[in-house]
Amino acid sequence: GNSVTQMEGPVTLSEEAFLTINCTYTATGYPSLFWYVQYPGEGLQLLLKATKADDKGSNKGFEATYRKETTSFHLEKGSVQVSDSAVYFCALSTTQGGSEKLVFGKGMKLTVNP
Amino acid sequence: EPEVTQTPSHQVTQMGQEVILRCVPISNHLYFYWYRQILGQKVEFLVSFYNNEISEKSEIFDDQFSVERPDGSNFTLKIRSTKLEDSAMYFCASKTGPFNQPQHFGDGTRLSIL
Repeated sequence: GNSVTQMEGPVTLSEEAFLTINCTYTATGYPSLFWYVQYPGEGLQLLLKATKADDKGSNKGFEATYRKETTSFHLEKGSVQVSDSAVYFCALSTTQGGSEKLVFGKGMKLTVNP
Repeated sequence: EPEVTQTPSHQVTQMGQEVILRCVPISNHLYFYWYRQILGQKVEFLVSFYNNEISEKSEIFDDQFSVERPDGSNFTLKIRSTKLEDSAMYFCASKTGPFNQPQHFGDGTRLSIL
């Protein structure tokens, strides 16, 4: 079946540090890949997405590239801010099965200190 | 920006009681979902709903669970006889169309079974 494996953390960084959160996937067919972020006390918000191989999703300084050869979708940011403190979820969906449900990784809690 | 709203934010219920979790998806969305997240675990798919019927459900979604879209705006999840292990955060999500459009999530309902 489809699955997502990501770094679990928690991770603590200083402001302006470089961030990488690894995400790899297993899927039948051609999945679309997503990063969702959950700020404290809030729901899941879409951060970025990529729907085919070699696509790069980007938003708010975050980037992730869909790498079919390594089945990966690692999230990066060059300089994190305190406001980036949140839980980050990697997820995939496929059109197989009809419903296009999301399959999530376990999530990684990031804390950024000033 | 339109958003998915969920009520209540926190529901406390005695084991064996029925509970209804409510969601108002974004108005022009056609695909609806429920997920849950047990504390410390992954976000798990429960059920998807399209064209007034269930399109897919997970193994978790047994006969104790049901969903309904009673009036064209609300989307409800009912648990008929709650168990302790139903304690979790329940998220509603919706999206406009097929082919891996992103899902938009509500802030969740925290369900506590005593």
